[in-house]
Amino acid sequence: DGGITQSPKYLFRKEGQNVTLSCEQNLNHDAMYWYRQDPGQGLRLIYYSQIVNDFQKGDIAEGYSVSREKKESFPLTVTSAQKNPTAFYLCASSIDRRYGYTFGSGTRLTVV
Amino acid sequence: GENVEQHPSTLSVQEGDSAVIKCTYSDSASNYFPWYKQELGKGPQLIIDIRSNVGEKKDQRIAVTLNKTAKHFSLHITETQPEDSAVYFCAATSYNDMRFGAGTRLTVKP
Repeated sequence: DGGITQSPKYLFRKEGQNVTLSCEQNLNHDAMYWYRQDPGQGLRLIYYSQIVNDFQKGDIAEGYSVSREKKESFPLTVTSAQKNPTAFYLCASSIDRRYGYTFGSGTRLTVV
Repeated sequence: GENVEQHPSTLSVQEGDSAVIKCTYSDSASNYFPWYKQELGKGPQLIIDIRSNVGEKKDQRIAVTLNKTAKHFSLHITETQPEDSAVYFCAATSYNDMRFGAGTRLTVKP
């Protein structure tokens, strides 16, 4: 079955630590995205990538970093520079930005 | 850039009634309007979409209408069921930039 997989489902991080969230897709989609979702709020774009080895900042990229070394993978690193990282993180992919997205099941990150 | 507003933020209906969620967008160049359903603790799922050359689209109990002149589009769910309870997001795409509304929490009471 084709789909998009995020791991882990739950992640706890100590203040001052970097942490990496995994996102893998086998849909052969060129574009991939990372969104942040806070309680009662919509989806805010962190980073997106339209092709391997290329990515662009979204609206709230500060304190985050990404890489796109393979078409299937788009990991997100939440760095210690992100002041309020506790949130639900969603990865998505699509043929390109003009088409509907397939979302993963999300990673809930909590800073302890 | 595109700005999408969604109303209402919460909606409660009785099972069997209809539910309507409305969105407005700002960029007249937007040409693709998807709707997503997000159940608790899960990622959003695409449930229906419409392109700017179409005024209405239906899929069983779900329909979406688009008014390009007024720059608004709506999601209509008929004969609601408890499993329709979720958060619904609208989105609009302009120049390869997809923007989401803030979401509507729909509760269907049995």
